[in-house]
Amino acid sequence: DAGITQSPRHKVTETGTPVTLRCHQTENHRYMYWYRQDPGHGLRLIHYSYGVKDTDKGEVSDGYSVSRSKTEDFLLTLESATSSQTSVYFCAISEGLAGVYNEQFFGPGTRLTVL
Amino acid sequence: AQSVTQLGSHVSVSEGALVLLRCNYSSSVPPYLFWYVQYPNQGLQLLLKYTSAATLVKGINGFEAEFKKSETSFHLTKPSAHMSDAAEYFCAVTGGGSWGKLQFGAGTQVVVTP
Repeated sequence: DAGITQSPRHKVTETGTPVTLRCHQTENHRYMYWYRQDPGHGLRLIHYSYGVKDTDKGEVSDGYSVSRSKTEDFLLTLESATSSQTSVYFCAISEGLAGVYNEQFFGPGTRLTVL
Repeated sequence: AQSVTQLGSHVSVSEGALVLLRCNYSSSVPPYLFWYVQYPNQGLQLLLKYTSAATLVKGINGFEAEFKKSETSFHLTKPSAHMSDAAEYFCAVTGGGSWGKLQFGAGTQVVVTP
């Protein structure tokens, strides 16, 4: 299994509070991704990173920010959590751009509940 | 932009029966297509991928998928279902201006009955 851990694995928080989710990899892969998974929507890309301090927005980036100060860590922050951000969040990594030659490996997920 | 549509959010199959999961794609450029599987409380795992080398793609756990350009489809099949195939399956596409960003379908939950 690819060395990807996510913390915390479960979190319950209240509306309006800041939340930070952490993704840590031991594979030294260049690309890291944050997705959210919701019933009926599959996985949707929030943000991704193509190197230290290099990030870009995905399909559903509103209300989220990310940071990557080290190759191995990719942080997802909800500045002020809302109930619509209740979801399961997955981190993924790939050595190069995900596609033909570079498989995207997924972490175990973080279940976030915003009350 | 690319997109995928998975027909059927839930599929129930008997153990030993054919598994058929449908995926249709929309793409303005030749797509790269993937099938992922998600077991309960786990992340996604790659089953197989289409990279234009061959239209019939074989993956892990006895699954295979056929790319049909004329039908814009990439359906996933397994001749004989096993209880361990119970999981959620996702079709995904990338390519063109969205290279490196996977666009996922909504997923199909497979239930296997004895």
